[in-house]
Amino acid sequence: EAEVAQSPRYKITEKSQAVAFWCDPISGHATLYWYRQILGQGPELLVQFQDESVVDDSQLPKDRFSAERLKGVDSTLKIQPAELGDSAMYLCASSFAGTSTDTQYFGPGTRLTVL
Amino acid sequence: AQSVTQLGSHVSVSEGALVLLRCNYSSSVPPYLFWYVQYPNQGLQLLLKYTTGATLVKGINGFEAEFKKSETSFHLTKPSAHMSDAAEYFCAVSFSGGYNKLIFGAGTRLAVHP
Repeated sequence: EAEVAQSPRYKITEKSQAVAFWCDPISGHATLYWYRQILGQGPELLVQFQDESVVDDSQLPKDRFSAERLKGVDSTLKIQPAELGDSAMYLCASSFAGTSTDTQYFGPGTRLTVL
Repeated sequence: AQSVTQLGSHVSVSEGALVLLRCNYSSSVPPYLFWYVQYPNQGLQLLLKYTTGATLVKGINGFEAEFKKSETSFHLTKPSAHMSDAAEYFCAVSFSGGYNKLIFGAGTRLAVHP
């Protein structure tokens, strides 16, 4: 069964450093999502791509976070500089068409710890 | 504003007992409703979803949920809990016309005791 791949699984960094996370969605899925899940909370959407275009980045802290999906396939989420409050699980998901009834398939996540 | 409330951050049941996890939503437009499960250090897996049609939805692993519009609820149930059901469960909503943005509740951690 096809899965969403993410790397690294765990990342420890010091504040003010730069970090990057990678996601490879299920083949053929046009829509890719990055979520942030703070401990004890549900995931919150950071950015959504339809193919290579951003369609929703309203909750992305754009002063320090950036995301790209250059060829409409895999994606990178970057934080620079990292802050203590960025410690969380970063989840990537993909769906076939991005409609409201589409199932989103999640990867295993990257757990970020900022010291 | 649209929101999802999961009543009870922790639920504990005995093996073989009924599982009931509560989810209420707030919305001015009809929602699409989802339940996801998350095992430790893993991503989320879809249990079931309601889009249209029958309001009682059956999902994987013996779970089901019923959409009750009058109560703005979508509670998740399973007749008999198994030890392997111990996990965190998230209720989520999306709305037509959007780009499938999911709004999640805070989650309910289910513990199953022998």
